[in-house]
Amino acid sequence: GAVVSQHPSWVICKSGTSVKIECRSLDFQATTMFWYRQFPKQSLMLMATSNEGSKATYEQGVEKDKFLINHASLTLSTLTVTSAHPEDSSFYICSASRSNEQFFGPGTRLTVL
Amino acid sequence: GESVGLHLPTLSVQEGDNSIINCAYSNSASDYFIWYKQESGKGPQFIIDIRSNMDKRQGQRVTVLLNKTVKHLSLQIAATQPGDSAVYFCAELAAGNKLTFGGGTRVLVKP
Repeated sequence: GAVVSQHPSWVICKSGTSVKIECRSLDFQATTMFWYRQFPKQSLMLMATSNEGSKATYEQGVEKDKFLINHASLTLSTLTVTSAHPEDSSFYICSASRSNEQFFGPGTRLTVL
Repeated sequence: GESVGLHLPTLSVQEGDNSIINCAYSNSASDYFIWYKQESGKGPQFIIDIRSNMDKRQGQRVTVLLNKTVKHLSLQIAATQPGDSAVYFCAELAAGNKLTFGGGTRVLVKP
């Protein structure tokens, strides 16, 4: 149990376009999901905490208008990278929380040309 | 702010030998730590955790040691196998169930 999926697993887009990444908890309900960003050869950095039915909480330095998070149900959170630029190219990873334990998705590789 | 960091960025180990990965943390109030394994292009995978009221915890081929006096955490992998090649992160659980990850150590297992 406690499987988390992400879709797509990778995406290539042109600069200026928006990209939506989905995070789903497949076999449990998660009132809280987290979004992380990981640049090559670096660690995971928390971007925001997504709470079902309420606004996301963003970490310092993360632009909320650029990284739109929607947690519309107990099994789905989405991250939309708006007006993407090459510097947004990264590995985006979500996690879903159950009983204070986080279960991670497989990640989404975003490449902005 | 508080941080969690690692001493060694890369560790090369002979297959069959033991691996030791180290991690330093700075928040003395931290009470829960987790080790994750991340293979290339994948999300982190839980390995083992430890609470601050313990100084050692063992799993299958892995042992985590916690030294609260010097704020140091280590992961020991016994009889390292090729499948253990990955990047290993320590993480600290903070308020709001937020995880703070260390910098990561890459383990390369030589045949």
